[in-house]
Amino acid sequence: DVKVTQSSRYLVKRTGEKVFLECVQDMDHENMFWYRQDPGLGLRLIYFSYDVKMKEKGDIPEGYSVSREKKERFSLILESASTNQTSMYLCASSLAGPNGYTFGSGTRLTVV
Amino acid sequence: SQQGEEDPQALSIQEGENATMNCSYKTSINNLQWYRQNSGRGLVHLILIRSNEREKHSGRLRVTLDTSKKSSSLLITASRAADTASYFCAPGANSKLTFGKGITLSVRP
Repeated sequence: DVKVTQSSRYLVKRTGEKVFLECVQDMDHENMFWYRQDPGLGLRLIYFSYDVKMKEKGDIPEGYSVSREKKERFSLILESASTNQTSMYLCASSLAGPNGYTFGSGTRLTVV
Repeated sequence: SQQGEEDPQALSIQEGENATMNCSYKTSINNLQWYRQNSGRGLVHLILIRSNEREKHSGRLRVTLDTSKKSSSLLITASRAADTASYFCAPGANSKLTFGKGITLSVRP
């Protein structure tokens, strides 16, 4: 069964900490995406990557960075966590072109 | 923005009834997708319709796309309690999707 695996289901971090959210897919997908989901706001795209070492900003990249050193892994980095980054983070991957996304189960991050 | 806007925001129906959900968007797309999300989980891809298609079926799902009106609809026939979830439309340009805020569907047993 094809999978997108997010490293943590729940995470609690302190304000100012550097936070790493990891996402791994086993489908040899070219594209990978990071979204955050907040009540009343839906899913908002943070960053995406079309290939190894390539990244593009989404709609809300401020306060985040990403890393894609290997095709199967896409990491989201919160450089200095703040309380307004408390959210559900969803990773997804897809083949190149117009194709369906496969999502991970999500990481619920709380910044205190 | 190509973000989809779903309508209604919430829908409650009896088991066995049909559920119709609508989506509108503003810019040009080459495909539109629908996803389901069960509470607190990741999204699951349901169906993709390309901009040159008008209707597509998958099991109990029927999706239509009207590019002249920039709108789509998702019909779930003979609904079941297990269909209770949030549903999202996602208009797409190439590989990139922008999701709407979702529709909460409740199916009463």
